Amino acid sequence: AQSVTQLGSHVSVSEGALVLLRCNYSSSVPPYLFWYVQYPNQGLQLLLKYTTGATLVKGINGFEAEFKKSETSFHLTKPSAHMSDAAEYFCAVRRSGNTPLVFGKGTRLSVIA
Amino acid sequence: KAGVTQTPRYLIKTRGQQVTLSCSPISGHRSVSWYQQTPGQGLQFLFEYFSETQRNKGNFPGRFSGRQFSNSRSEMNVSTLELGDSALYLCASSISGVPSYEQYFGPGTRLTVT
Repeated sequence: AQSVTQLGSHVSVSEGALVLLRCNYSSSVPPYLFWYVQYPNQGLQLLLKYTTGATLVKGINGFEAEFKKSETSFHLTKPSAHMSDAAEYFCAVRRSGNTPLVFGKGTRLSVIA
Repeated sequence: KAGVTQTPRYLIKTRGQQVTLSCSPISGHRSVSWYQQTPGQGLQFLFEYFSETQRNKGNFPGRFSGRQFSNSRSEMNVSTLELGDSALYLCASSISGVPSYEQYFGPGTRLTVT
């Protein structure tokens, strides 16, 4: 079975500081990996995804993530936090074949002025 | 192109009643998935439909059911509502059922059971 662990249910950073949100997955086969963001009272918006190829993936709003197979990780980073980045972030994994998308518990990001 | 739409956005029901939620996917998308989001359990997968066929089902009781129509629109039904069914129900569509394709989410339906 596949699962996703997001370390830290709440992360707080200062405006302009590095954002690092951690995600580790367990999967018996190489998975497809996704990061989504959810703003209050809204649905989820895709930030980026990893399927195959280059392990460093760039997404929207300046976010990027690196797939590290040896560490089974897919951490999300952004060099400089903006106030508008305050939201909840979800890491998700899906294997090939007939399997559903599985989400982590989410990390709430707060940005302090 | 219009995004995923869900109706209604907010719903208040009484324990024991039933409810039907609707989802219209992005035009051209043939796969629709449903999720339940609660503060305690997070995002949990309910079911996935592709071309009117249920491809996957999550670990929910039989009170939760769904269907997909020939135009890819989907509905989910919850019968005999319980207080614990209060949640945000999210629908997501994808161009196909291929796992590497991203899912696009609607704004959700906030269901409150009293």
